[in-house]
Amino acid sequence: GAVVSQHPSWVICKSGTSVKIECRSLDFQATTMFWYRQFPKQSLMLMATSNEGSKATYEQGVEKDKFLINHASLTLSTLTVTSAHPEDSSFYICSALGSVGETQYFGPGTRLLVL
Amino acid sequence: RKEVEQDPGPFNVPEGATVAFNCTYSNSASQSFFWYRQDCRKEPKLLMSVYSSGNEDGRFTAQLNRASQYISLLIRDSKLSDSATYLCVVQDQAGTALIFGKGTTLSVSS
Repeated sequence: GAVVSQHPSWVICKSGTSVKIECRSLDFQATTMFWYRQFPKQSLMLMATSNEGSKATYEQGVEKDKFLINHASLTLSTLTVTSAHPEDSSFYICSALGSVGETQYFGPGTRLLVL
Repeated sequence: RKEVEQDPGPFNVPEGATVAFNCTYSNSASQSFFWYRQDCRKEPKLLMSVYSSGNEDGRFTAQLNRASQYISLLIRDSKLSDSATYLCVVQDQAGTALIFGKGTTLSVSS
């Protein structure tokens, strides 16, 4: 089946550091990738929708200047958390969609802890 | 904001028990419905899609009532390995993001 990878799987960093998370579709081309965030005991919340070659669409309340998304190719999207703070500590998960109507495939997630 | 509501549980049941989870969604125009399973500190994984006619996959049965905007999941003959959080998920249109409920936690004990 389709595989989506994320790297790194976990990050511990100091406050003020920028952290880049990669999401790759390994055996299919993903026209759309979604970035979600999950806080403890909460649901996955959509942060942004990323289409290859165009600007990401951010959900209300998500700062686009803080969470930079780049979808430069059909197999790679990156999320950069700029100047991370402890409140950004969360589980970040991407999903990739091959074409409209297909199943979304989730990456294994990246656990971010900002000290 | 459009939402998906679930009873968070936890549901603590013995092996072999039958357990049912319920979910309601707020957007009557939603088109696709799913149950996902999420294990601790892992990504969610698709358990099954939910169809209006109801569908079954082994010990799992899912039902959808569009009029009531209600989705259910029934697990029969619970196994220890069924212990996880079950996420009710709705999709407004094909190709758009998934909308997740908070999940219902199931713990099956021997």
